[in-house]
Amino acid sequence: EPEVTQTPSHQVTQMGQEVILRCVPISNHLYFYWYRQILGQKVEFLVSFYNNEISEKSEIFDDQFSVERPDGSNFTLKIRSTKLEDSAMYFCASLRGSGGLDTQYFGPGTRLTVL
Amino acid sequence: AQSVTQLDSQVPVFEEAPVELRCNYSSSVSVYLFWYVQYPNQGLQLLLKYLSGSTLVKGINGFEAEFNKSQTSFHLRKPSVHISDTAEYFCAVKVYQGAQKLVFGQGTRLTINP
Repeated sequence: EPEVTQTPSHQVTQMGQEVILRCVPISNHLYFYWYRQILGQKVEFLVSFYNNEISEKSEIFDDQFSVERPDGSNFTLKIRSTKLEDSAMYFCASLRGSGGLDTQYFGPGTRLTVL
Repeated sequence: AQSVTQLDSQVPVFEEAPVELRCNYSSSVSVYLFWYVQYPNQGLQLLLKYLSGSTLVKGINGFEAEFNKSQTSFHLRKPSVHISDTAEYFCAVKVYQGAQKLVFGQGTRLTINP
């Protein structure tokens, strides 16, 4: 069964450093998402991406964040200058199409630790 | 805007006992409803979903949920739990328009005691 994959599984970085989290969505999916889950809190929407552009973003997704689909298979989330409060589990998800019956499939997550 | 409230942050139950995890939502438009499960150190896995039709939906691992529009609820139930059901359970809503993002509740940690 096709699945969403994410690398790395755990990333440790120093405050102020740039990080890139990588995701490979399911191959025939068209909508892509990033969510994050701060330890002990709920899963929060960050951004959605369709047709090579951001379709919606939350207020969390400020200028320090960016997303890209550089090669038609990978979907990346970049944080330019990490802060301590960026420490969280980041989930990538993909959705096949615009039909309401479609389900978002989630990757296993990348745990980001900012020191 | 949509919101989801999971009334219980933790639910401890004994093995083979029934369980109900509560979820209420608010939305000014029609939504689709989901329950996801997160096992320790793993990602989110879809348990079941309500899109339309019968208000009682069955999912994987013996779970079911009932959509109640008048009470804006989507409670998750299982008649007899197993140790392996120990996990975090998230209720979520999706609006079928725009980016179709999911809005999650705070999660309920289900702990099964032998």
